[in-house]
Amino acid sequence: QQQVKQSPQSLIVQKGGISIINCAYENTAFDYFPWYQQFPGKGPALLIAIRPDVSEKKEGRFTISFNKSAKQFSLHIMDSQPGDSATYFCAASWRSGGGADGLTFGKGTHLIIQP
Amino acid sequence: NAGVTQTPKFRVLKTGQSMTLLCAQDMNHEYMYWYRQDPGMGLRLIHYSVGEGTTAKGEVPDGYNVSRLKKQNFLLGLESAAPSQTSVYFCASSYSPGQLYEQYFGPGTRLTVT
Repeated sequence: QQQVKQSPQSLIVQKGGISIINCAYENTAFDYFPWYQQFPGKGPALLIAIRPDVSEKKEGRFTISFNKSAKQFSLHIMDSQPGDSATYFCAASWRSGGGADGLTFGKGTHLIIQP
Repeated sequence: NAGVTQTPKFRVLKTGQSMTLLCAQDMNHEYMYWYRQDPGMGLRLIHYSVGEGTTAKGEVPDGYNVSRLKKQNFLLGLESAAPSQTSVYFCASSYSPGQLYEQYFGPGTRLTVT
């Protein structure tokens, strides 16, 4: 079953703190794990992505940690800022037998950074 | 370079009415997708297309039809709208096979069915 479970549903963090969002998956055929960021009234946009053969990827204040054996991955936002307030979606990419591909998304985390 | 555009931005329909949502992309992407976004449900794939003239069902295809007559356009149709189809609809595109995980999203269409 192509499913990605995301937690928490909502998160409040103080400015300067670390925001952590977690995701778990079952399908070992997933081949990439991206995170998307969505601001109110906008479409989601790719934030950062990781391959399953890499344990960590960092881009600025954003880090993905990947645990292949546990089938879990997480997004860490260091020094969280009010401008980071948004909804974050984890996802996993898949290929069907017919050569198609797509993304399965988690249900999202509404992050609020308090000044 | 406009990226992915969606028409219309907002629409209110009565139950039983039909409508078509238009998605256009100017990035020469092969793959295009239609999602719906509902509170607490994330993004769910309705239909997708791997190239001009081809379409396939996603996770929640019932009540929707799609067409991809031109590479740059992907149309989503509702033949007989139901209140359960009240949602925000997003179109996305991606270039494959190089960037399977990177999808570019449009700004969305907010649809209300009364």
